Amino acid sequence: GQQLNQSPQSMFIQEGEDVSMNCTSSSIFNTWLWYKQDPGEGPVLLIALYKAGELTSNGRLTAQFGITRKDSFLNISASIPSDVGIYFCAGPPSGNKLVFGAGTILRVKS
Amino acid sequence: DAGITQSPRYKITETGRQVTLMCHQTWSHSYMFWYRQDLGHGLRLIYYSAAADITDKGEVPDGYVVSRSKTENFPLTLESATRSQTSVYFCASSDLQWAYGYTFGSGTRLTVV
Repeated sequence: GQQLNQSPQSMFIQEGEDVSMNCTSSSIFNTWLWYKQDPGEGPVLLIALYKAGELTSNGRLTAQFGITRKDSFLNISASIPSDVGIYFCAGPPSGNKLVFGAGTILRVKS
Repeated sequence: DAGITQSPRYKITETGRQVTLMCHQTWSHSYMFWYRQDLGHGLRLIYYSAAADITDKGEVPDGYVVSRSKTENFPLTLESATRSQTSVYFCASSDLQWAYGYTFGSGTRLTVV
């Protein structure tokens, strides 16, 4: 089935550092979504992107819809301890079913 | 309370037993989904439903059964639990404007011993 390749698999960074992660697909998407999962909870939508080249921010988070429509990027500026968790990208290869990347585990040193 | 709720939060069952995980949403969303989350695999779709009495298989449906007699409920049944079904299970829902993403429940951690 459709796969999303998300990288890196995990990150261990110092508090205050900027973080970058990305997601690639073998097919074109019309929508890219980024979710965050806190420990012991379900994923929560952070940012939604609907147009190639679109750049959208949500506080310290910024996501971009790649121009090729086959990739997306998420940046977190000045990371803080509460940024820990798993970040998932997601997109709809067809219909209304989302597929999810395997996730990027973020750990922050305080 | 408004939202999407899953029960139980934690469940331990024995191999071969039948177990049902419950999911209830209060928004009258048309679509509901069941995912399982395993390390290294992310979220994999088990079953989904577009409306009451309409269900369809996802990526990993074997060993699971779903039903949706009412819009707000979407139970997931493991007919004969196996150790490979030890996982965290998430229910999600969305309205017709699915492009705004799905809303997830808090999950059920199932251990099959």
